Amino acid sequence: KAGVTQTPRYLIKTRGQQVTLSCSPISGHRSVSWYQQTPGQGLQFLFEYFSETQRNKGNFPGRFSGRQFSNSRSEMNVSTLELGDSALYLCASSAGQGIDNEQFFGPGTRLTVL
Amino acid sequence: KQEVTQIPAALSVPEGENLVLNCSFTDSAIYNLQWFRQDPGKGLTSLLLIQSSQREQTSGRLNASLDKSSGRSTLYIAASQPGDSATYLCAVRSKSNYQLIWGAGTKLIIKP
Repeated sequence: KAGVTQTPRYLIKTRGQQVTLSCSPISGHRSVSWYQQTPGQGLQFLFEYFSETQRNKGNFPGRFSGRQFSNSRSEMNVSTLELGDSALYLCASSAGQGIDNEQFFGPGTRLTVL
Repeated sequence: KQEVTQIPAALSVPEGENLVLNCSFTDSAIYNLQWFRQDPGKGLTSLLLIQSSQREQTSGRLNASLDKSSGRSTLYIAASQPGDSATYLCAVRSKSNYQLIWGAGTKLIIKP
């Protein structure tokens, strides 16, 4: 069974631009979560989707948004990029919405904002 | 507000030693705790998930314990190998907001 895939793996953008990252969960998984990882702040929760609905949202500005499609694939969008948005963005999938579901992570997208 | 702390931040031991990584959390109101490893430039690999009602979980050379009342978890690695070198992170699923709250990780180096 294929794991979680994320595209692209690396991305370089300039301040003010916008970016869209994509995540394909493990086949059969319906929940997708997004995280930001930086050296200074560590791992921080962005949002979680289940069956195309956002179920939970972290403490990030409105420039960060996401969506989930009917096939469970998810995208996250960051508008008006800032230097501080440079980070590794990780996507995780789990089988269900339940809080006791184990999360499986993709390799991440490394975003660099110049 | 839930906070997760991992001590030490870095650890270097000779191959073959048994070792313990620590994770502490400030609010015992959790659903579960999960241990992950992260290799340089890569995503996270789930190692063990312990539900709040459980005391420990085992997988191969790994054993994780959970003491919810004291806000502590340990990850025990037996007979360490160079391939165990990675950063180990713990995360708790908080009951207050259902989110995973992460520790900063312990960078482990196993010397051949």
